[in-house]
Amino acid sequence: QQQVKQSPQSLIVQKGGISIINCAYENTAFDYFPWYQQFPGKGPALLIAIRPDVSEKKEGRFTISFNKSAKQFSLHIMDSQPGDSATYFCAASRGSTLGRLYFGRGTQLTVWP
Amino acid sequence: GAGVSQTPSNKVTEKGKYVELRCDPISGHTALYWYRQSLGQGPEFLIYFQGTGAADDSGLPNDRFFAVRPEGSVSTLKIQRTERGDSAVYLCASSLIGSSYNEQFFGPGTRLTVL
Repeated sequence: QQQVKQSPQSLIVQKGGISIINCAYENTAFDYFPWYQQFPGKGPALLIAIRPDVSEKKEGRFTISFNKSAKQFSLHIMDSQPGDSATYFCAASRGSTLGRLYFGRGTQLTVWP
Repeated sequence: GAGVSQTPSNKVTEKGKYVELRCDPISGHTALYWYRQSLGQGPEFLIYFQGTGAADDSGLPNDRFFAVRPEGSVSTLKIQRTERGDSAVYLCASSLIGSSYNEQFFGPGTRLTVL
C-alpha cells in the first residue's frame, strides 16, 4: 500500500511557468516531508523539506505548501526553467530527525524552452 | 567534502549468483540507509543502520537479502541466489544523527541487472 500518493505522474510546463506537484498521506504520525529531485542516472537530491508545524516554506523558486488537516502537501516551482526538467519525489517519515522515508511514485517534469 | 559513494556503478550477474554492493557514506554520518528503486518508481526502503546495528530491517524483501556495517562506516548489501526480479537501482543514503532534520543524502546508486 502506497503510504504517500503523488500526482501528476508527468507534467509539461513552459519556461517561466509555475509547476505544481501534489502529494497526500494518511499516516498522521508522519512529521517530516521532504522533496527530492532526481536526474537520469543520478541519485535523488534533497530539494526542500518541511515539518507540519508550518504551513509554507520557501527557498528560492521552490515552495512547499502544507495542509495538515487535509493531509496534503505540494511543491511549487516558480519561473520554471529547462534545467528543472527532472523527476520529483515527495516523501514522508515518522521521525523528523531519523528513520525510513516513504516515497511517492514520482512526477516527471519537462520544462519547454 | 565527498558525498556518498557506491560501487560498482553497474553490476550484471546471472540468475542464481551472489552479489555484493558497497556503500561509503559521508564521513561522520552515523545513519546509513539502503533503498531499492525500480524503473519509474520511487525509492523503496530496505534497511537502515545506526552505527553498526540495523535499526530497522523491515524493508528487506526476503532472507536472500542481508546487509552489514561492521565498523559503523562502510556498508555492504548482499544478495544471495539472485532472481530477475532483483534487477533495480540500489541506492544508499546517509544522514547525521542529531541534526534537526531527517536529511538523507543519496549516492548515485548501483544498477543491478540479473540475466
